[in-house]
Amino acid sequence: AQRVTQPEKLLSVFKGAPVELKCNYSYSGSPELFWYVQYSRQRLQLLLRHISRESIKGFTADLNKGETSFHLKKPFAQEEDSAMYYCALSGTQGGSEKLVFGKGTKLTVNP
Amino acid sequence: KAGVTQTPRYLIKTRGQQVTLSCSPISGHRSVSWYQQTPGQGLQFLFEYFSETQRNKGNFPGRFSGRQFSNSRSEMNVSTLELGDSALYLCASSFRGRNYGYTFGSGTRLTVV
Repeated sequence: AQRVTQPEKLLSVFKGAPVELKCNYSYSGSPELFWYVQYSRQRLQLLLRHISRESIKGFTADLNKGETSFHLKKPFAQEEDSAMYYCALSGTQGGSEKLVFGKGTKLTVNP
Repeated sequence: KAGVTQTPRYLIKTRGQQVTLSCSPISGHRSVSWYQQTPGQGLQFLFEYFSETQRNKGNFPGRFSGRQFSNSRSEMNVSTLELGDSALYLCASSFRGRNYGYTFGSGTRLTVV
């Protein structure tokens, strides 16, 4: 089955501290993985794709196929990083291709 | 460049009625997907359209249907509404499909009473 698990519903850190949002996935093939972010009163938006190997707003994510994880990291959190973060996996399940989201982690960066 | 536009923003319907939601993708985007978002289940995939063809469908009952027009605008329809259909319905568009990332609309908040 195609599944994305974000074990933390809430995560709170202080400004300047490192932050790691966890994402574990279950998928038998080669996954395409993404992080989406939703800031307060804004639309859900793409943060980064694993295939791009890019760093957006200081965030990076590495695909670890052995641990089936795609954790999102930032070395120094900023208050403006406070948002809801969703990990998503694109794959095929039961003959249907779809993008499956985790339930999200709400990140709060305290001053 | 205009973003993904969903109308209406809010809807209140009665059980048993039907509803049609509309989505205008970003100009040039041919892939449109729909998601249902609820506090309990999170974001759940409904269907994906590409060039007027339904390419994929999620695990929702047949009461949920959709279509895409030649200008890539999409509609989704829910018939015989149930209380559990109350949710935020999100539309997302992409130039090439889900593997390249989606741009989401603001959603339509449907309340069934």
